[in-house]
Amino acid sequence: DAGVIQSPRHEVTEMGQEVTLRCKPISGHNSLFWYRQTMMRGLELLIYFNNNVPIDDSGMPEDRFSAKMPNASFSTLKIQPSEPRDSAVYFCASSSGTSGNNEQFFGPGTRLTVL
Amino acid sequence: QKEVEQNSGPLSVPEGAIASLNCTYSDRGSQSFFWYRQYSGKSPELIMFIYSNGDKEDGRFTAQLNKASQYVSLLIRDSQPSDSATYLCAARDDKIIFGKGTRLHILP
Repeated sequence: DAGVIQSPRHEVTEMGQEVTLRCKPISGHNSLFWYRQTMMRGLELLIYFNNNVPIDDSGMPEDRFSAKMPNASFSTLKIQPSEPRDSAVYFCASSSGTSGNNEQFFGPGTRLTVL
Repeated sequence: QKEVEQNSGPLSVPEGAIASLNCTYSDRGSQSFFWYRQYSGKSPELIMFIYSNGDKEDGRFTAQLNKASQYVSLLIRDSQPSDSATYLCAARDDKIIFGKGTRLHILP
């Protein structure tokens, strides 16, 4: 049974370029979460969706970041334009609900380097 | 600002001993608490969750919650080298907040 799938696994780009990260949640899960992890700030929740609808995007750092979930099996996180301070590991996670005790399953992450 | 605080470590524990990991949280409205383990270069994976005061045991792991003190801990009995990882504590009210993690190193 496939877990959360993320692509690409690694991305190196130059400042100013557009970056698109992709996520396929576990089939049947109705909640999807995007996180960013850095040494300085730890694991930060950027945005989460429930039934494809964005519920809380208060963690999105600025307007350069946007996320979409056009259907239950696909989500994107886009950074335009990218900056060196966006370099981090970006995780996507999914769960079967948003209640407090539903386990979130994390994907392998995308390591983004912006030069 | 809601925060979850953890000692960054590293915490070094001899193999076979008990490892004790601690966490405090600022939001009294937090209802659920989680411990995730993250190996270097890998994604976090859930070890345990707890939402009632007291202890919850699962194999070698025991989570402890004290809501009055806003304190959560994780005990690992009979520590193994494979337990060496970063442990993330998280608290959830309307959304989940993670601590920055404690690096645990089990000494063979």
